[in-house]
Amino acid sequence: DQQVKQNSPSLSVQEGRISILNCDYTNSMFDYFLWYKKYPAEGPTFLISISSIKDKNEDGRFTVFLNKSAKHLSLHIVPSQPGDSAVYFCAANYNFNKFYFGSGTKLNVKP
Amino acid sequence: SAVISQKPSRDICQRGTSLTIQCQVDSQVTMMFWYRQQPGQSLTLIATANQGSEATYESGFVIDKFPISRPNLTFSTLTVSNMSPEDSSIYLCSVAGADGYTFGSGTRLTVV
Repeated sequence: DQQVKQNSPSLSVQEGRISILNCDYTNSMFDYFLWYKKYPAEGPTFLISISSIKDKNEDGRFTVFLNKSAKHLSLHIVPSQPGDSAVYFCAANYNFNKFYFGSGTKLNVKP
Repeated sequence: SAVISQKPSRDICQRGTSLTIQCQVDSQVTMMFWYRQQPGQSLTLIATANQGSEATYESGFVIDKFPISRPNLTFSTLTVSNMSPEDSSIYLCSVAGADGYTFGSGTRLTVV
C-alpha cells in the first residue's frame, strides 16, 4: 500500500518559469513532510520540510504548500534553474517513525 | 545538521559474496535508518538501528540477509550478505536529528 504518491513521473519546465511538483498521501496521521532532491549516483539532499501545523514554508526559491484536508503537498520552485534538474521525492512520517517516500518526479529545466 | 560519511561510494561484487557499508556521523544520534533504492523505484526502509538494541527490520527484510551493527551513537554498518544480482541497488543511511533528517551520499552496489 503506497501511502505517499507522486503521480507525475516527469516534468519539463523552461528556465525562469515556475516548477510545481505534487504529492498526495493517504495517511491522516502524517505530521511531518519533506522534499528531497536527488542527482544520479548521489544520495538524496534535503530541500525543505513542513510540519502539519503549518500550511506553507518558504526557503529562498523553494516553497512547500500543505493542504491537509486534501492530503496534498506541493513544492514550488521559482524561478527554475537548469541546476534544479534532478529527481524530487516527497516523504512523510509521524512521531519520528519511518518515512514513507513517493516514487519521485524527474524535473528537467530547459535553458 | 549532521554530516554523514558513507563508504564505499560504489562497488561491483561477485554473487555469493558480502559487502559491508559503513556510515560515520559527526555527532551523536539516537536513530539511524538504512534504506535501499532499487532502479526506478523510491526509497524503501530496510531497518532502524538504535544504539544498544537489536535493529528493527521492515517487512521483507531479515537480519540474516542484512545484518546491522550499531556499536555507538556515531557509527553503523549494514552488510548485504550472499549477494545476488537482485541486490543491485543504492543503499543509504540516514539519521534523525534535532533539525531534521540527513542522508549519506549512498553506496551504489552492482552484483555480477
